Amino acid sequence: DADVTQTPRNRITKTGKRIMLECSQTKGHDRMYWYRQDPGLGLRLIYYSFDVKDINKGEISDGYSVSRQAQAKFSLSLESAIPNQTALYFCATSDPGTGRTEAFFGQGTRLTVV
Amino acid sequence: QKEVEQNSGPLSVPEGAIASLNCTYSDRGSQSFFWYRQYSGKSPELIMFIYSNGDKEDGRFTAQLNKASQYVSLLIRDSQPSDSATYLCAVNSGSARQLTFGSGTQLTVLP
Repeated sequence: DADVTQTPRNRITKTGKRIMLECSQTKGHDRMYWYRQDPGLGLRLIYYSFDVKDINKGEISDGYSVSRQAQAKFSLSLESAIPNQTALYFCATSDPGTGRTEAFFGQGTRLTVV
Repeated sequence: QKEVEQNSGPLSVPEGAIASLNCTYSDRGSQSFFWYRQYSGKSPELIMFIYSNGDKEDGRFTAQLNKASQYVSLLIRDSQPSDSATYLCAVNSGSARQLTFGSGTQLTVLP
């Protein structure tokens, strides 16, 4: 089983619908991230959380919200989806306490808004 | 100026050649630098990390860091067709030291 699991893997939704992407991890890491990837734009940070009570906006948070339900769970919501939110979404975790600060990624969620 | 910038690519090299990928960053306080490889439609996977100035070698991969010039590079020796992928440079930057990615360089190794 993957250490960082995203659900769903693929989703097609209509404009204006609310949608939630979920992420869970078994790595025991405190830090969790949501990234969005568009062709040619690399990975852009939407939100990040350093613990359950600490939520921070990233580079492109408008139109998104998050919830950190537990150390292991971090959900991303699109309150009213729009077509330009069509993208590949990645959840990631990291644990600076180990001295290694790299991110570990989930498998990704391909979201299409029609 | 973007925080992390990479060669726009795409980059094509023949099999067996050295592929050179470059990255510059704007935050002088950055301490950690990473190279990820991403195959189309897949999640990024870490291939190299470097924290100190100089070179770090791991098999066919060498990461080079120059903090004074604010650049980090990745060399792939004896390139193979299986190395064809997008390579993402990532830097711990910002007040919270979150991981910031460049836009990636697409590498194609021609048989």
